[in-house]
Amino acid sequence: DVKVTQSSRYLVKRTGEKVFLECVQDMDHENMFWYRQDPGLGLRLIYFSYDVKMKEKGDIPEGYSVSREKKERFSLILESASTNQTSMYLCASNPPRANTGELFFGEGSRLTVL
Amino acid sequence: AQSVTQLDSHVSVSEGTPVLLRCNYSSSYSPSLFWYVQHPNKGLQLLLKYTSAATLVKGINGFEAEFKKSETSFHLTKPSAHMSDAAEYFCVVSVSGGGADGLTFGKGTHLIIQP
Repeated sequence: DVKVTQSSRYLVKRTGEKVFLECVQDMDHENMFWYRQDPGLGLRLIYFSYDVKMKEKGDIPEGYSVSREKKERFSLILESASTNQTSMYLCASNPPRANTGELFFGEGSRLTVL
Repeated sequence: AQSVTQLDSHVSVSEGTPVLLRCNYSSSYSPSLFWYVQHPNKGLQLLLKYTSAATLVKGINGFEAEFKKSETSFHLTKPSAHMSDAAEYFCVVSVSGGGADGLTFGKGTHLIIQP
């Protein structure tokens, strides 16, 4: 089975802190994604990556950056956390040249910024 | 441009009764459509997908959905609800060949199962 692992399930940070959210997948998928999930808003795409060292902005990239140094790992970075970034963050991946829209999701990282 | 509307934010049914979760979409091109399920404190899992083959699509756990182009709908149904079906359900549309950067998620429907 495909496994997408988000190492931190729950985090509490203070305003202005730098936050790293890590995601690792074990199926050699080229495509990886970070979403933000908020009640009543569904999922919104923050960044995605089609290959190592590559990144593309999604719908809401402001306040975030990403890093893809290795194929299996995709990190989401909040340079200076703010309270409006309190949310559930979901990492996903899918196989190369996927045209089915099927994503494999991690269990999420719930971030609270105080 | 594409969009998806889940018509109910919450649906409550009794165990053993039918489930209907409604989804309407808007798309300039032939869409691919998906339903995902999210159980509490879990990630999303694909339930089923429509990609221009049969209009009635069967998924996991007894769920199915019917693509109706004339009504621009892709409603999710199940004949008999089980307690384990309690979850959040997302309807998703894509017109970019299904590439994940072209997916648009609905806002979700919370399914409540009454004992």
